[in-house]
Amino acid sequence: GENVEQHPSTLSVQEGDSAVIKCTYSDSASNYFPWYKQELGKRPQLIIDIRSNVGEKKDQRIAVTLNKTAKHFSLHITETQPEDSAVYFCAAFRGGATNKLIFGTGTLLAVQP
Amino acid sequence: EAQVTQNPRYLITVTGKKLTVTCSQNMNHEYMSWYRQDPGLGLRQIYYSMNVEVTDKGDVPEGYKVSRKEKRNFPLILESPSPNQTSLYFCASRPIGNQPQHFGDGTRLSIL
Repeated sequence: GENVEQHPSTLSVQEGDSAVIKCTYSDSASNYFPWYKQELGKRPQLIIDIRSNVGEKKDQRIAVTLNKTAKHFSLHITETQPEDSAVYFCAAFRGGATNKLIFGTGTLLAVQP
Repeated sequence: EAQVTQNPRYLITVTGKKLTVTCSQNMNHEYMSWYRQDPGLGLRQIYYSMNVEVTDKGDVPEGYKVSRKEKRNFPLILESPSPNQTSLYFCASRPIGNQPQHFGDGTRLSIL
């Protein structure tokens, strides 16, 4: 079945630096890749997503890149701020009969002031 | 406001006492699911439903039941809770297809 691996599990950066989180997926039929941010004690919230017909998408300080050939996608956060500190989850969606969204195991990002 | 509403937000109970966590969404989404979140294990799907009266097991269904009698509601039932079901639970909904998924605020269950 589909598997999503996420690395690193923890990431510490200085305020103002960039952070990169990487995910790989196993099912080549996956066609939608959202990223969620979960602050402590809160629900996961969608921050950006990308579909398989696009290679890159940006929204202010965050961007996602997708390499379909290699089956990996990455979240890039530039000019990090303390409020970026959270757990980030990637996910991969496969349609058809399964219609399933598979999550990575999460990355704890700590931005040091 | 579009949202997924879970109740209760917190519950402490004892082994074997049946409990139900309710979930309701107001976005007319076909797909609803329940996850549990445990440290280091990410979000694991318990059950999901692709439409009314259509439910199926996720990755960790043992000890749980669900029902989908109406499109907006998807309750999670623990018939005989045990301490290993102590966890943070999230309900989520989305349209069928490659569309964003929305999460509820979570329910923290402690089974003593």
